[in-house]
Amino acid sequence: DTEVTQTPKHLVMGMTNKKSLKCEQHMGHRAMYWYKQKAKKPPELMFVYSYEKLSINESVPSRFSPECPNSSLLNLHLHALQPEDSALYLCASSQVGGAGLAYEQYFGPGTRLTVT
Amino acid sequence: AQKITQTQPGMFVQEKEAVTLDCTYDTSDPSYGLFWYKQPSSGEMIFLIYQGSYDQQNATEGRYSLNFQKARKSANLVISASQLGDSAMYFCAMREPLTGGFKTIFGAGTRLFVKA
Repeated sequence: DTEVTQTPKHLVMGMTNKKSLKCEQHMGHRAMYWYKQKAKKPPELMFVYSYEKLSINESVPSRFSPECPNSSLLNLHLHALQPEDSALYLCASSQVGGAGLAYEQYFGPGTRLTVT
Repeated sequence: AQKITQTQPGMFVQEKEAVTLDCTYDTSDPSYGLFWYKQPSSGEMIFLIYQGSYDQQNATEGRYSLNFQKARKSANLVISASQLGDSAMYFCAMREPLTGGFKTIFGAGTRLFVKA
């Protein structure tokens, strides 16, 4: 199974709402990632989890709160978002270890988020 | 400073012909990994090919090959025998070690159009 799943596929939320994005993989990967991708732009790294611990936070605003409850799951909790946060949110996973540079990331299909 | 440069916003190729997508990169780290991903309109990022900074030979994966010129810091993707299904956005990416893990940086992308 080389699949990363993300739910929901689409999400529309108001600026006062609280919602969560979910990501799951069963490839035994111990690194998981959140990316944000605006239209016609490349993905931008938000967070990296390694062995269920947050290892990289790319100065993301606190209205985005990641969580890794176990090695297969990754959540992104959203609260008080702004319209400019509307984007495609991609989750990815990869192996970790000595050859970390060589391990490709497997991406999920993404969640298209619209903030109204 | 931009670390990954893709200078071709859009490319056209005739079906069954070969096409080269350009990518240059900049890093002072001797250890890095270079990747190419394909992103169809559905949004999912699909891994195509990998080249390590210490690899002596150019990587190949089926119809994809990577023309790696280390001294020039270029990693161009060559797609042979183009197919209509190759129409998509293509991202060049570089993976660098970072405190806490590894970071993947993406270029701006090249949109490829395959003509019948």
